[in-house]
Amino acid sequence: NAGVTQTPKFRILKIGQSMTLQCTQDMNHNYMYWYRQDPGMGLKLIYYSVGAGITDKGEVPNGYNVSRSTTEDFPLRLELAAPSQTSVYFCASSYARVSNQPQHFGDGTRLSIL
Amino acid sequence: KNEVEQSPQNLTAQEGEFITINCSYSVGISALHWLQQHPGGGIVSLFMLSSGKKKHGRLIATINIQEKHSSLHITASHPRDSAVYICAVSPWGAQKLVFGQGTRLTINP
Repeated sequence: NAGVTQTPKFRILKIGQSMTLQCTQDMNHNYMYWYRQDPGMGLKLIYYSVGAGITDKGEVPNGYNVSRSTTEDFPLRLELAAPSQTSVYFCASSYARVSNQPQHFGDGTRLSIL
Repeated sequence: KNEVEQSPQNLTAQEGEFITINCSYSVGISALHWLQQHPGGGIVSLFMLSSGKKKHGRLIATINIQEKHSSLHITASHPRDSAVYICAVSPWGAQKLVFGQGTRLTINP
């Protein structure tokens, strides 16, 4: 069972570089989410999607972009990396709204911006 | 003030002890989730509840909607229970979860 797969697991970027964090799920879930986790802080929602072609901003969307062209994939794009984006990023999915269904998480991507 | 507050932030106990982690929230919710984050970083969902009590093995989760409070209990704790336990709520009408800061639990043999 693959579940939610995130790549890469680790990455170091220089300030101003760009990169895409990949997330794919094989559970046919409609809802997908991107979170960031900073030390000592709760998970913060960056963007989410309720289905292919539909995305919406979360609490901390600045500096990020997403797309959802298929049900399976939900990549997160950093265009101009900044030190404040150093964090651990988690992708998650659920079959329906989180009021009705648990979320399934990927293993995370640890990103450092130097 | 955070919408979701957990206590304690850190908890160290001996193997076999009964563990309680608390979660208080300040908004109306449709569901509350308890999650476990392993030392390696992976996050798994333990419980989702909107009323009453749920039990899975040695873990028990309760919620009091009127008091806006939930507890996670671990009976006969074991070193493999060492992890960060995270409480998250789904506010009414929202498509998202709001997370607490987590409780770091360490069980010593």
